[in-house]
Amino acid sequence: GAVVSQHPSWVICKSGTSVKIECRSLDFQATTMFWYRQFPKQSLMLMATSNEGSKATYEQGVEKDKFLINHASLTLSTLTVTSAHPEDSSFYICSASRLAGYEQYFGPGTRLTVT
Amino acid sequence: RKEVEQDPGPFNVPEGATVAFNCTYSNSASQSFFWYRQDCRKEPKLLMSVYSSGNEDGRFTAQLNRASQYISLLIRDSKLSDSATYLCVVTSGNTPLVFGKGTRLSVIA
Repeated sequence: GAVVSQHPSWVICKSGTSVKIECRSLDFQATTMFWYRQFPKQSLMLMATSNEGSKATYEQGVEKDKFLINHASLTLSTLTVTSAHPEDSSFYICSASRLAGYEQYFGPGTRLTVT
Repeated sequence: RKEVEQDPGPFNVPEGATVAFNCTYSNSASQSFFWYRQDCRKEPKLLMSVYSSGNEDGRFTAQLNRASQYISLLIRDSKLSDSATYLCVVTSGNTPLVFGKGTRLSVIA
């Protein structure tokens, strides 16, 4: 159990366009989902925490108007990178947790390249 | 001081060797500790939790030293498949996980 999927697994887009990434918990209900970003040779950096049905909590330095997060159901959260720029190219990983503070299960990640 | 610090390595060891990684954390209120494994261009996967009394899972042993605020991971009889980046992770309970940058291990035939 505890499988998390992400879609797409990789995407290439042009600068200025928006990209939506989906994160789904396949076999459990995730009250909390997390979005991370990882640049090459860097650690995972938490971008935001989202609880089902409420607004996401963004980490310092992460623009909430640029990285739109929606957690409309207990099995789905989406991250939309709006007006993407080359510096947004990164590995985006979501994780899901049954309850805040409990074990997180990671999705396989989405590799975004903005040209 | 960074919240979680690890030696980035790489640690290059021959098959069958024993290798140990340490990780220090700065938040004395940290309550939960984990070791994750991340393969190249993949998501992190939980390797093991770290308990105060220390715990072992096969060839892997994790230990926690609260007084000195560090945790360790020992891998015995290294296999080629152990080659990966090992991430030290801490949390203060309800707070999100804080990841170290990872220690890269290469096991060589």
